[in-house]
Amino acid sequence: DAGVIQSPRHEVTEMGQEVTLRCKPISGHDYLFWYRQTMMRGLELLIYFNNNVPIDDSGMPEDRFSAKMPNASFSTLKIQPSEPRDSAVYFCASSSGTGAGYTFGSGTRLTVV
Amino acid sequence: AQSVAQPEDQVNVAEGNPLTVKCTYSVSGNPYLFWYVQYPNRGLQFLLKYITGDNLVKGSYGFEAEFNKSQTSFHLKKPSALVSDSALYFCAVRANQAGTALIFGKGTTLSVSS
Repeated sequence: DAGVIQSPRHEVTEMGQEVTLRCKPISGHDYLFWYRQTMMRGLELLIYFNNNVPIDDSGMPEDRFSAKMPNASFSTLKIQPSEPRDSAVYFCASSSGTGAGYTFGSGTRLTVV
Repeated sequence: AQSVAQPEDQVNVAEGNPLTVKCTYSVSGNPYLFWYVQYPNRGLQFLLKYITGDNLVKGSYGFEAEFNKSQTSFHLKKPSALVSDSALYFCAVRANQAGTALIFGKGTTLSVSS
């Protein structure tokens, strides 16, 4: 099993540009989570899906952020327009049930200049 | 609302000594509790979890944690620290109910000196 796969690993973009982060969860996992990690705020839950349906998006910071899960094997997190304060490491994780641990991807380090 | 606190930003121990990384939580109802470890430039790796049953949970790499309901704590322990245990450790909690996700503490940096 290749685990949770995120792309790109690193992204540097200019303020105002659109950024799309991608995630492929582990096959058979029915939950998918997006987290953001910064030094100041630690790990923040942005949004999560169950069976491709968004369940809780209360952590999405602004309307500039959007997430989709068109099928069980793919999710995207989009920031449009990006701002320097969006700079962080974005993690995707998946799990197979309510009591299961999460498997995290390696993250995408986003830098907005 | 769920919350988890890791009161120490950093824990320093000498190799071979026991280590403890503290975690307290707040959640409605019965908690699901987890510990994760993060090495530099890597994702989080699962160490252990408490769902129900024995309050002492054993996990990967010789780590264990004890669930204490009265103190709402779930401290991570290891009898003998290794230099390779140096990393960032996260405690996480979620309520035992549908529609909730793991909430993570801010993390504790463990530094083991040789």
